[in-house]
Amino acid sequence: NFMLTQPHSVSESPGKTVTISCTRSSGSIASNYVQWYQQRPGSSPTTVIYEDNQRPSGVPDRFSGSIDSSSNSASLTISGLKTEDEADYYCQSYDSSNIWVFGGGTKLTVL
Amino acid sequence: EVQLVESGGGLVQPGGSLRLSCAASGFTFSSYWMSWVRQAPGKGLEWVANIKQDGSEKYYVDSVKGRFTISRDNAKNSLYLQMNSLRAEDTAVYYCARDVMIVDPEYYFDYWGQGTLVTVSS
Repeated sequence: NFMLTQPHSVSESPGKTVTISCTRSSGSIASNYVQWYQQRPGSSPTTVIYEDNQRPSGVPDRFSGSIDSSSNSASLTISGLKTEDEADYYCQSYDSSNIWVFGGGTKLTVL
Repeated sequence: EVQLVESGGGLVQPGGSLRLSCAASGFTFSSYWMSWVRQAPGKGLEWVANIKQDGSEKYYVDSVKGRFTISRDNAKNSLYLQMNSLRAEDTAVYYCARDVMIVDPEYYFDYWGQGTLVTVSS
């Protein structure tokens, strides 16, 4: 089984751009799709990116996803930061042994 | 509107049992794989188990194999998680989530319930 490693926390100012990384420990990041979930304090998770870079309807285009095979990682980029973006963000992917893996989560603070 | 409403959480002693339920509405329940995902207090998300539309396939994270059983009743639009031999490390909020297929067998979780808290403590 592989692990997905995320930074524990990131912070940035309103209006700026922030990128959260998610590094796969073994196997290629491109082998399986990566999803990103947002969890605001006291709330259930919601999907902000699926299939590496697809946004569900209702998610603003300030949110984008990508993968980088050279670093074996996925990234979530949020541009034009708003205070409402302050939340925990989790990456997730599928392991071929029928396990669905989450990263440890990144706390985004919008200062 | 898709709704998932969990129930059945509570305080249980180590070694005890608990059965969680998830009532689904707003979609054709029998057409979707369903999952349980948990979150220990102050910790991250952990996928626990999932079940195929007709209940013929079930998968579990290693830490709950042999102790937890996922099941469903499509006639009642309900998902269940029977938890036996509970341990302190099973303490968490348990979420019911709908699985959406990207490409078989890759799924992601597009709707989540509000969660139900399970506390294992003496």
